[in-house]
Amino acid sequence: GAGVSQSPSNKVTEKGKDVELRCDPISGHTALYWYRQSLGQGLEFLIYFQGNSAPDKSGLPSDRFSAERTGGSVSTLTIQRTQQEDSAVYLCASSLSRSTSPLHFGNGTRLTVT
Amino acid sequence: AQKITQTQPGMFVQEKEAVTLDCTYDTSDQSYGLFWYKQPSSGEMIFLIYQGSYDEQNATEGRYSLNFQKARKSANLVISASQLGDSAMYFCAMMSNNAGNMLTFGGGTRLMVKP
Repeated sequence: GAGVSQSPSNKVTEKGKDVELRCDPISGHTALYWYRQSLGQGLEFLIYFQGNSAPDKSGLPSDRFSAERTGGSVSTLTIQRTQQEDSAVYLCASSLSRSTSPLHFGNGTRLTVT
Repeated sequence: AQKITQTQPGMFVQEKEAVTLDCTYDTSDQSYGLFWYKQPSSGEMIFLIYQGSYDEQNATEGRYSLNFQKARKSANLVISASQLGDSAMYFCAMMSNNAGNMLTFGGGTRLMVKP
C-alpha cells in the first residue's frame, strides 16, 4: 500500500517568506509526527498529533512554526518569515497507535532558505 | 525526560563480519518501547527492529538482533554478516506513554562496511 507521502520534496525559498509543507499519512494511522533533521544531525521532534486530541507542540522551536491536521488525515507544517537556520529536512511520520507501533516515515521535504 | 545516547559517531566493519552499535537510554518510565532505524544516503528512515520494555526475549529480525539489558538501560543493535548495503546512519529511539508518545532519537552512528 501507499506509504507516507510528503510534498514538495524540495523547496527553496527566500529569507522572510512563508512556506507550507504537506504530509499525507498512511491510511488508518491515527498518530502523525513532524521531525526536523539538519545536515548530518539526528532528528529533532517538532509536533505530534494523536486522533482528535490536542497536539503536542512542545518541540516547535518558535512561534513562527505551526501545524495543523485536517480531518485526522493530511497535515500541513507552516513556517512563517523563514530564517536561514530553518534550512533542514522536514520529516513526517505516522503510526497506528502508541509506544509499540513503529513510525513509518515519508521521504522528507528538503527546505533551503537563501 | 527521555534521553538516548549513541556514543559511536562512526564505525567501520569488514564485510561479512558482525557489528554492534551501542545505545543507552535514560527514563523513569517502566513501560517503554525501543526502536532502531536505518537511514541510508538516500535519506529515507527505515524501521529495523523493536523491543518492548517488558519483553523477556531479545528481539530479532533477520540479520538484526537487539541486545536488551534492562538493568543497564542499554539496547544495542547487532548486525550479523554485514553487507555493503548496510552502510548507513543508524538511529536508536525510544517512546513511552508517560513521555507523550513522542519518539526520542539518539544522535546516530554512521556505519561503513568495508569490502
